[in-house]
Amino acid sequence: QVTLRESGPALVKPTETLTLTCTFSGFSLSTSGMCVSWVRQPPGKALEWLALVDWDGDKYYSTSLKTRLTVSKDTSKNQVVLTMTNMDPVDTATYYCARIQYKYESWSAFDIWGQGTMVTVSS
Amino acid sequence: DIQMTQSPSSLSAYVGDRVTITCRASQSINRYLNWYQQKPGKAPKLLVYSASSLHSGVPSRFSGSGSVTDFTLTIASLQPEDFATYYCQQSYTTPQTFGQGTKVEVK
Repeated sequence: QVTLRESGPALVKPTETLTLTCTFSGFSLSTSGMCVSWVRQPPGKALEWLALVDWDGDKYYSTSLKTRLTVSKDTSKNQVVLTMTNMDPVDTATYYCARIQYKYESWSAFDIWGQGTMVTVSS
Repeated sequence: DIQMTQSPSSLSAYVGDRVTITCRASQSINRYLNWYQQKPGKAPKLLVYSASSLHSGVPSRFSGSGSVTDFTLTIASLQPEDFATYYCQQSYTTPQTFGQGTKVEVK
């Protein structure tokens, strides 16, 4: 059974750096084609894709947020970490991690999602 | 970035109605289009991938169609558990992008 679970602080102050961890089971990020992505959703708003790390360690970022985001993986721990610098109240959102696969030279879909973790940015 | 535009943004329907949601990409994405269902307070769930392939366990009343830039999600006969928000997403290239969502409400 594939599962993902997000963890991190529920509250951060403006200008601080947010660090979120996605701990997963049921698959390995060292397996060819396996990838983990981060998606966020501000309250009452749409989903927004943030970042992706693949089995080979390649990383991809949102165009608008790429200067603030870093994604990394720890294959031995089955974890993916997202850091976002210079947090602002507009970054208040539920942050999800999800699995996606790269096969037949194309991306598939987010087939398994974590439950999400709500992050509030406030002083 | 590829922009994904859904229509309508919301709709009201009766149980048993046939419901259609459209999604348009700002450039060709071949058939790399996925649909998700999200209920309040819950993570999204995959319904359809590659434009028309039904994800495991998804009821057959859901179907997807389209290619290139224009795509459709159809619910053949709306059930009470289908009232939710639906999102399209392109996986043709990174950055991957979502539509703004379509909320399906009870009439």
